[in-house]
Amino acid sequence: QVTLKESGPALVKPTQTLTLTCTFSGFSLSTSGMRVNWIRQPPGKALEWLARIDWDDDKFYSTSLKTRLTISKDTSKNQVVLTMTNMDPVDTATYYCARIHQVYGDLYFDYWGQGTLVTVSS
Amino acid sequence: DIQMTQSPSSLSASVGDRVTITCRASQSIDRNLNWHQQKPGKAPKVLIYGASSLQSGVPSRFSGSRSGTDFTLTISSLQPEDFATYYCQQSYSTPWTFGQGTKVEIK
Repeated sequence: QVTLKESGPALVKPTQTLTLTCTFSGFSLSTSGMRVNWIRQPPGKALEWLARIDWDDDKFYSTSLKTRLTISKDTSKNQVVLTMTNMDPVDTATYYCARIHQVYGDLYFDYWGQGTLVTVSS
Repeated sequence: DIQMTQSPSSLSASVGDRVTITCRASQSIDRNLNWHQQKPGKAPKVLIYGASSLQSGVPSRFSGSRSGTDFTLTISSLQPEDFATYYCQQSYSTPWTFGQGTKVEIK
């Protein structure tokens, strides 16, 4: 059974660095083809893809946020960590982690965490 | 980045109605288009992947199609549990991008 769960602070101050952890079970990120992503959603707004890390440690980032994001994995702990620097109130959102599943050439999110709401306010 | 333009942004429909949502990619994405359903306070759930493949467990009233860079999600007979927000999302190239969403409301 695949599960993912996000954890991190509910409140951060402007200019601070946010660190979020995705702890998962039911698969290993050392297995070929496994990939984990971070996606966020401001209140009442659309989904925004942030970053992805693959089994071979390839990393991909949002174009607009790449200077502020770092994604990493700890395979032994079944965790993926996202850091976002210089937080601003516009970064207030629910942050999700999600796994990618591959069926032949098709890639899609098959499992999501429940999401964690992060509010940026002084 | 590939832009995904989804329409309409919202619609009102009745139970039993046929509903169509469209999504246009700013460039060719082959058939690398997924459709997600999201209910309030919940994580999204994939309905269709690869433009037209139905995810396991998803009712057959949902279907997807492609014509070039235009993609369509169709709900053949809207059910009460289908009132939600729907997003298209391209998986052709990183950064992956989502459409702006279509909120399906009760008429």
